[in-house]
Amino acid sequence: EPEVTQTPSHQVTQMGQEVILRCVPISNHLYFYWYRQILGQKVEFLVSFYNNEISEKSEIFDDQFSVERPDGSNFTLKIRSTKLEDSAMYFCASSDGGSNYGYTFGSGTRLTVV
Amino acid sequence: GESVGLHLPTLSVQEGDNSIINCAYSNSASDYFIWYKQESGKGPQFIIDIRSNMDKRQGQRVTVLLNKTVKHLSLQIAATQPGDSAVYFCAENIGGYGNKLVFGAGTILRVKS
Repeated sequence: EPEVTQTPSHQVTQMGQEVILRCVPISNHLYFYWYRQILGQKVEFLVSFYNNEISEKSEIFDDQFSVERPDGSNFTLKIRSTKLEDSAMYFCASSDGGSNYGYTFGSGTRLTVV
Repeated sequence: GESVGLHLPTLSVQEGDNSIINCAYSNSASDYFIWYKQESGKGPQFIIDIRSNMDKRQGQRVTVLLNKTVKHLSLQIAATQPGDSAVYFCAENIGGYGNKLVFGAGTILRVKS
């Protein structure tokens, strides 16, 4: 069964450092997303990406965040200068946008900012 | 505004019993709903979905019911097993293809053997 792959599974970084979280969406999917989940809380939408541009972003997705699809398979989330409150699980998802929507989530990257 | 909420944060059931997890949503424009299961340290795992033009959809041991009149969604799990223990989230999609999902707060399901 096709899956969304995320690397690394766990990232520890110092406050103020830049991090890049990587995702390989399902190959025939057209829509890509990043969500985050602070420990014990619900999953929150960050950003959606389609046709090589951001289609929607939340209030959380400020200027410190950026996304990129550098090639035909990877989808990355960059946090330029991490803050303690950025510590969370970050989930990548993709969907085919078809009749069944087909949202699939990756297993997540646990980001710990110290 | 848009929000999805759950009535019960924790549900404990005996193995073999049926479980019902409830969810209230506030946006009448939502056209697609998904139930996800999340085990510790893992990403949301798709369980079942339903479009707004349906009232009921059945899967293997799971049934989703949608009541648009009162904006209520439920997940029924038949013959609950220990492996069903997890956090369950409902999520709604507003506005069609490619749009974001709005997640509810989550319900912890504990299955007692």
